Amino acid sequence: AQSVTQPDIHITVSEGASLELRCNYSYGATPYLFWYVQSPGQGLQLLLKYFSGDTLVQGIKGFEAEFKRSQSSFNLRKPSVHWSDAAEYFCAVGVLKAAGNKLTFGGGTRVLVKP
Amino acid sequence: EPEVTQTPSHQVTQMGQEVILRCVPISNHLYFYWYRQILGQKVEFLVSFYNNEISEKSEIFDDQFSVERPDGSNFTLKIRSTKLEDSAMYFCASKRESSYNSPLHFGNGTRLTVT
Repeated sequence: AQSVTQPDIHITVSEGASLELRCNYSYGATPYLFWYVQSPGQGLQLLLKYFSGDTLVQGIKGFEAEFKRSQSSFNLRKPSVHWSDAAEYFCAVGVLKAAGNKLTFGGGTRVLVKP
Repeated sequence: EPEVTQTPSHQVTQMGQEVILRCVPISNHLYFYWYRQILGQKVEFLVSFYNNEISEKSEIFDDQFSVERPDGSNFTLKIRSTKLEDSAMYFCASKRESSYNSPLHFGNGTRLTVT
């Protein structure tokens, strides 16, 4: 069965500094990988996704992620964080089935941004 | 931009009572999902629904749970006899196509508190 691990529960970063959130997955076939962000009181918003092709994918809000098959990782990065990036971030892996297409989520990483 | 809407935002119920969580998916979407997140834990898949039937369900989704699309616009999750451990944030989601290229849109969630 597939699984996703986000090793960091909390990360605190200064505004303007770079951010990297780690994600490791376990899945027997080619994964479909996603990063979602959840702001307080909000639903989950898709930041970016990886299916195939270029291993560096660009997303919304200035985020990018790099798929590394050899490390089973899909880390999320942003060169310079803004106070509005304070939120919880979830990595997820997708399993392609006929109609289910369910996502398996990691435990999330809560990002705090210091002024 | 069209949104998935969920009502109510917060529901408090007593143990043993029935509860119905309501969702209005995006109008031209065909695939519907419920996920839940117990406080401090991962977002977990509950059920997927397509063509008026369940396409996949998790082991969490036992006989106490049911889903329905009663009128072509609403998508409901019913818990027949709530337990304390059902307390969680419940997210509805929808997508237009089965492909992972079709993004999954989440609602803002309903926080269910069972006392």
